[in-house]
Amino acid sequence: ETGVTQTPRHLVMGMTNKKSLKCEQHLGHNAMYWYKQSAKKPLELMFVYSLEERVENNSVPSRFSPECPNSSHLFLHLHTLQPEDSALYLCASSQGTGTSGAYTYEQYFGPGTRLTVT
Amino acid sequence: AQKITQTQPGMFVQEKEAVTLDCTYDTSDPSYGLFWYKQPSSGEMIFLIYQGSYDQQNATEGRYSLNFQKARKSANLVISASQLGDSAMYFCAMREGPGNEKLTFGTGTRLTIIP
Repeated sequence: ETGVTQTPRHLVMGMTNKKSLKCEQHLGHNAMYWYKQSAKKPLELMFVYSLEERVENNSVPSRFSPECPNSSHLFLHLHTLQPEDSALYLCASSQGTGTSGAYTYEQYFGPGTRLTVT
Repeated sequence: AQKITQTQPGMFVQEKEAVTLDCTYDTSDPSYGLFWYKQPSSGEMIFLIYQGSYDQQNATEGRYSLNFQKARKSANLVISASQLGDSAMYFCAMREGPGNEKLTFGTGTRLTIIP
């Protein structure tokens, strides 16, 4: 596997379900990100992890819970979601984060998980 | 106010022609980075090109070049000799200065290359 992978690629869940999205990066990067992409809206940053420590939570509701057990893996735990949470969830990684002064580093994205909440 | 503005929701271009995708940005930070990403229908965001606010020359990467006009706060992407595989959504994004984690994206331009 190369680059950034995400599983599952598609997920349909009810509002009372609990599920998790998984992201894995094979690039040796030390920062990972979760983004939400809704139809006709700009990409929204949700969470940032640098060296497994959360450095940004962009006012995301508590029904989304991130976890970063090591620098290669990132999870997004979902529970009691709403239909408006249906979107494409993209994971990304980069060599550094803004807090380390590395604001020029590009982010590499995974293919995303298309989430539908019914 | 919008930080990143992409005014072209969609564009149709003949194959082999050059195409310019517009992007204007708004920031008061002297240090910032500008990025362009391509998103095919598969969903993955593909990094194309980067321009730093202090870079003296316009960035180029193969068929991609960035027309950076700092005074006008414009960072247009130019694709030369377009190919059918260039059909995709294109997003302009900005990160403002060190210490800021946020990569702010525009709403994107859907480019369709016509054979």
